[in-house]
Amino acid sequence: GAGVSQTPSNKVTEKGKYVELRCDPISGHTALYWYRQSLGQGPEFLIYFQGTGAADDSGLPNDRFFAVRPEGSVSTLKIQRTERGDSAVYLCASSLGPLDANEQFFGPGTRLTVL
Amino acid sequence: AQKITQTQPGMFVQEKEAVTLDCTYDTSDPSYGLFWYKQPSSGEMIFLIYQGSYDQQNATEGRYSLNFQKARKSANLVISASQLGDSAMYFCAMRETGSSNTGKLIFGQGTTLQVKP
Repeated sequence: GAGVSQTPSNKVTEKGKYVELRCDPISGHTALYWYRQSLGQGPEFLIYFQGTGAADDSGLPNDRFFAVRPEGSVSTLKIQRTERGDSAVYLCASSLGPLDANEQFFGPGTRLTVL
Repeated sequence: AQKITQTQPGMFVQEKEAVTLDCTYDTSDPSYGLFWYKQPSSGEMIFLIYQGSYDQQNATEGRYSLNFQKARKSANLVISASQLGDSAMYFCAMRETGSSNTGKLIFGQGTTLQVKP
């Protein structure tokens, strides 16, 4: 079956612009996570969805970041007024449930570059 | 606060030899899970192995095994019979399942492994 997909794979934007990053989780997975990975670092948690609701958004760095999952499947991470420090790889992951004993399945990521 | 520490920024191993990648963790939650992921240069995170805090035996998956020492709060990854394709970045991660039930993963800084022919 299909894995987690993310689009676009690469996004280059200018400082101050708005961007949207999309994640398609594995079908049937109710838990969806967004992480951000800066160069040479481990991924850092941003937000977790259980179904349609954001159950934990404690990792969002500030109010320029927002994410939605309106139908409990596809999720969009939205970044307003982008800054150069937002440049990173944004990873999406899904699992059957939050406490599923096995792995979170990760997508290939979106590499965001803010010029 | 929960934390994962990987003290080896880079490691070398000769092909066909075994290698141990270190990971220590800190948590006050009695219930947690420990994961290892591989990230090749292509960027995708590949799940390798999982160990639950209440598991009595060390986890094994093919050439991967997890040396779980609960009292020392360490969860080292052992790769046996290294192959050239094992060259990648390796991340240790923790998920608390007691007080927090979000399932979010806390990652370490990673260790770059290079396998020499």
